[in-house]
Amino acid sequence: DGGITQSPKYLFRKEGQNVTLSCEQNLNHDAMYWYRQDPGQGLRLIYYSQIVNDFQKGDIAEGYSVSREKKESFPLTVTSAQKNPTAFYLCASRGVGSDTQYFGPGTRLTVL
Amino acid sequence: QKEVEQNSGPLSVPEGAIASLNCTYSDRVSQSFFWYRQYSGKSPELIMSIYSNGDKEDGRFTAQLNKASQYVSLLIRDSQPSDSATYLCAVNKGGAGGTSYGKLTFGQGTILTVHP
Repeated sequence: DGGITQSPKYLFRKEGQNVTLSCEQNLNHDAMYWYRQDPGQGLRLIYYSQIVNDFQKGDIAEGYSVSREKKESFPLTVTSAQKNPTAFYLCASRGVGSDTQYFGPGTRLTVL
Repeated sequence: QKEVEQNSGPLSVPEGAIASLNCTYSDRVSQSFFWYRQYSGKSPELIMSIYSNGDKEDGRFTAQLNKASQYVSLLIRDSQPSDSATYLCAVNKGGAGGTSYGKLTFGQGTILTVHP
């Protein structure tokens, strides 16, 4: 059953803590993306990766970090430097030769 | 000016009517255009993609693209209550093989409500 999985579905964090959001895909896609969505707004790009061991900053990378050690995995760390981390985080992937992105189910992060 | 702008909602239509969702984009080099549907609390799912000027039909959905006017729209015929969702317009500047690396720029979304 191919697809993109994100965990956890809900995450609560205290101020000052780093948290890592998981994104795994078994679609054999090379490109992976992280977006953030705030209420009533569209998606904003945080980081993206075209191949293993390579990634680039998106439009709102400050306070976030990523790694791409495996093709299947693209975890996102929300650091304490992110001033307003409460949001819905979406991971997406795209296959070679395609410009269509497919999304995982998302992680809703709440800072207490 | 926002890079991708959608008509402000919410949009409310009766069941069976045609819903018209509109999107304008600012960058003329944009090549690929997408419509995603997002139910409340869920992730976006792809409805349509369009690359050439004109209309593209898929079931009850029709996407329309006019590159000269920098305008893309989505028509939903015979609207159903199950179509009630937020519709997101997304634009790719350079295509899969271009320097845009497949990055999408999203509009803010239009909330559609179809009432019985």
